[in-house]
Order: sequence, then C-alpha cells, then structure tokens
Amino acid sequence: AQSVTQPDIHITVSEGASLELRCNYSYGATPYLFWYVQSPGQGLQLLLKYFSGDTLVQGIKGFEAEFKRSQSSFNLRKPSVHWSDAAEYFCAVGSTGGGNKLTFGTGTQLKVEL
Amino acid sequence: EAGVAQSPRYKIIEKRQSVAFWCNPISGHATLYWYQQILGQGPKLLIQFQNNGVVDDSQLPKDRFSAERLKGVDSTLKIQPAKLEDSAVYLCASSLGRGRVNTEAFFGQGTRLTVV
Repeated sequence: AQSVTQPDIHITVSEGASLELRCNYSYGATPYLFWYVQSPGQGLQLLLKYFSGDTLVQGIKGFEAEFKRSQSSFNLRKPSVHWSDAAEYFCAVGSTGGGNKLTFGTGTQLKVEL
Repeated sequence: EAGVAQSPRYKIIEKRQSVAFWCNPISGHATLYWYQQILGQGPKLLIQFQNNGVVDDSQLPKDRFSAERLKGVDSTLKIQPAKLEDSAVYLCASSLGRGRVNTEAFFGQGTRLTVV
C-alpha cells in the first residue's frame, strides 16, 4: 500500500529565509508525486508534480522539489519565503496503475515570521 | 476554465440527521473523487468514480455514506445518519481520467460539515 510521511507538523521561518519541507513516500513502483498547498478555508492548489524525467521539478510561486529515489523522498524547497506562503502544505503520492488515486501525508503547517 | 464547484460551503447538523453535498467537476473530466479531511489530517479518499462507475470505494463507510454520479457528470455524497466523528471538510476533485498519464486532480473549495 502506498503511504506518505511528512515528519514536520509545524515549521516557522522568517520572511526571506529559505524553506525545505520534507516528504517521504512508500510505493512499490515509480510513483507520481505531488505537492499541494491549502490556505485557510480553501481547497487544495497544486504547486508541482513529478511523473518522470528530470528529478528536479519547478512549480508555481517559486517552489521546486527534488525526487530522490534512493531516499524515497520528494522534498519541497523555496529559496526565499514570502509572508503569503503561510499555509498548510501536503505531499501526495499517486498510483500509477490507472485511477490516479492520491494518498496524502498529514501536512506541514508553515508559519512565516515578519 | 471553470473549476470544481461544490455546495454548500458550510453545513451544521445535529447527530443522526442526514446531509448531502453536491459537486460539479470540470467539464470533460471523467474521474471524480470525494475526499474527507478531518481537522489536522491530510485528505482521505472516500470514493472514486470513472464516468458513472465506481472505481474505488474501499474507505467509504457504506453503512452511513453513499455517493452517486448519475450521467457521469455531477455527483452527490450523502451521510445518513451523521455522527459526531463525521465533522470534517469534504473535498471533491476531478481529473481527466483513468489511463491518462500525467493527469492531475483539481480540487473544489470543499464543504465544511459540523455535526453537533
């Protein structure tokens, strides 16, 4: 069964500092990987996705993530955080056998200090 | 392009009452998902439709939850009777469909259900 672990429940960074959110997955084959962001009272917005190819993927809002098969990781990074990035971030793994079922991690709540 | 539409946005009911949520996916999207997101947790898949057929409902509590997608477009999710632990945000999502690689799921804003 596929699963996702986000080890950090809460993270606080200062505006302008760099950010890395951790994500580890468990899946029997090459996974589809996603990062979503959720602002209060809103649905999930896709930041970026990995299906195949280049292991460093670029997303919206200046985010990037790197797929590392050897570590079963897909960490999200941003070089300089803005106050508007404060939100909850979810990593998800999608099944590749058809159906595209997503399994989410428990999320990381990001707080940005001004 | 219009996104995934859900209604209502908020609902408060008493336990043992029934409630229904509605979802209209993005036009042309064959796959529709209902997720349950309990406070402090990630979304959990309840049911997945491909057109009007059920692909996966393994985590749907079938004694109280039901869902349908007539004509392969709109969908409704019903809870009857509701329990306190059903308090959550119910998210609807849609994607192009099975067998379509490199597809992603687009989410609606969700319905926040409070059972008192």
